[in-house]
Amino acid sequence: AQSVTQLDSQVPVFEEAPVELRCNYSSSVSVYLFWYVQYPNQGLQLLLKYLSGSTLVESINGFEAEFNKSQTSFHLRKPSVHISDTAEYFCAVSDPGGYQKVTFGTGTKLQVIP
Amino acid sequence: DGGITQSPKYLFRKEGQNVTLSCEQNLNHDAMYWYRQDPGQGLRLIYYSQIVNDFQKGDIAEGYSVSREKKESFPLTVTSAQKNPTAFYLCASSIWGQETQYFGPGTRLLVL
Repeated sequence: AQSVTQLDSQVPVFEEAPVELRCNYSSSVSVYLFWYVQYPNQGLQLLLKYLSGSTLVESINGFEAEFNKSQTSFHLRKPSVHISDTAEYFCAVSDPGGYQKVTFGTGTKLQVIP
Repeated sequence: DGGITQSPKYLFRKEGQNVTLSCEQNLNHDAMYWYRQDPGQGLRLIYYSQIVNDFQKGDIAEGYSVSREKKESFPLTVTSAQKNPTAFYLCASSIWGQETQYFGPGTRLLVL
């Protein structure tokens, strides 16, 4: 069975500072990995995903995540955050092929402080 | 614009009442999903549907029912058997077999 662990429920960070949101997963098979973002009272939006190939994936708004198979991690990073990055971030995992059930982590609330 | 719509945005349920949440998509996606979101618990799968007239239970289906009479519609009924229905409900869709799910804006259900 798949599982996802997001150890940090809340991460406060000052504007223009770097941030890392941690995600670890467990799965007995190869995986797809995702980061979704949720702004208050809205649905989830896909931020970035790892399917195969390069282990470093990037989003259009400056976030990046690196798939580390040996550490079973997929941490999300941004070198300089903005107020507009304040949101909740969910890490998710699914296995390729067939019905790709997606398992979500419990979320990390990123609070950017002016 | 292509996307997923959910209505209403807020819904109030009285004790013993069944309520239905609407989910419509015009993305021509085969698969649709319902999730429940509670604070600190992430998203949990209630039901999913791969194709019209077919649906499967997810991890927390008790107290809920669905139908899939049309490709674009996947309504969720919260029945009186669901004793703790207060939550944020999210509908999603995808092309079956593809990895990315697209989410609607959600419906917040509150109990009076």
